[in-house]
Amino acid sequence: GAGVSQSPRYKVTKRGQDVALRCDPISGHVSLYWYRQALGQGPEFLTYFNYEAQQDKSGLPNDRFSAERPEGSISTLTIQRTEQRDSAMYRCASSFGQGTTEAFFGQGTRLTVV
Amino acid sequence: SQQGEEDPQALSIQEGENATMNCSYKTSINNLQWYRQNSGRGLVHLILIRSNEREKHSGRLRVTLDTSKKSSSLLITASRAADTASYFCATDNGYALNFGKGTSLLVTP
Repeated sequence: GAGVSQSPRYKVTKRGQDVALRCDPISGHVSLYWYRQALGQGPEFLTYFNYEAQQDKSGLPNDRFSAERPEGSISTLTIQRTEQRDSAMYRCASSFGQGTTEAFFGQGTRLTVV
Repeated sequence: SQQGEEDPQALSIQEGENATMNCSYKTSINNLQWYRQNSGRGLVHLILIRSNEREKHSGRLRVTLDTSKKSSSLLITASRAADTASYFCATDNGYALNFGKGTSLLVTP
């Protein structure tokens, strides 16, 4: 596709449910990143993939959060047993090379846990 | 964790004026990037400056980098109402970008 695509755009879920957020990066982009952004704040790094390898997951808040990119393209961020504090905008970005050059961001998934 | 710190947090100017935003960071970097975000929408890359560069221009944007002071500035000249947005600096540690909290810029006609 022309840009980074994230789905769903909006997700409302009940506390305790699991959610899966999808990111389809720009074709050919090696690097993929997940960020979380609270209102009025900058994006907070969650995790990074180089092809299918998860190189850094140090930003994942706890073990309820996990991410995968099994074929080095589409990635899924999964949050298990959601809590209200998980409510935020989740953003995916991709870049062409290893390491950061220009990162292209998707429109994000707005997650609301009620 | 967020490494960059933008200053000021908010800036209000009139069209035609220049806007200057500053960014300070803590650890060594490979490069520093500036991004713009309109009204909670996606982030758009503006400019990248490498650690061995001191100044870079792109259209009405001018970015400086002082690695000895661990700081950068973004200057937008001849601002327009369409420049109203949040601006974030992002430091690159080799593979991931770490963003600051941003400067909210309001340009009034």
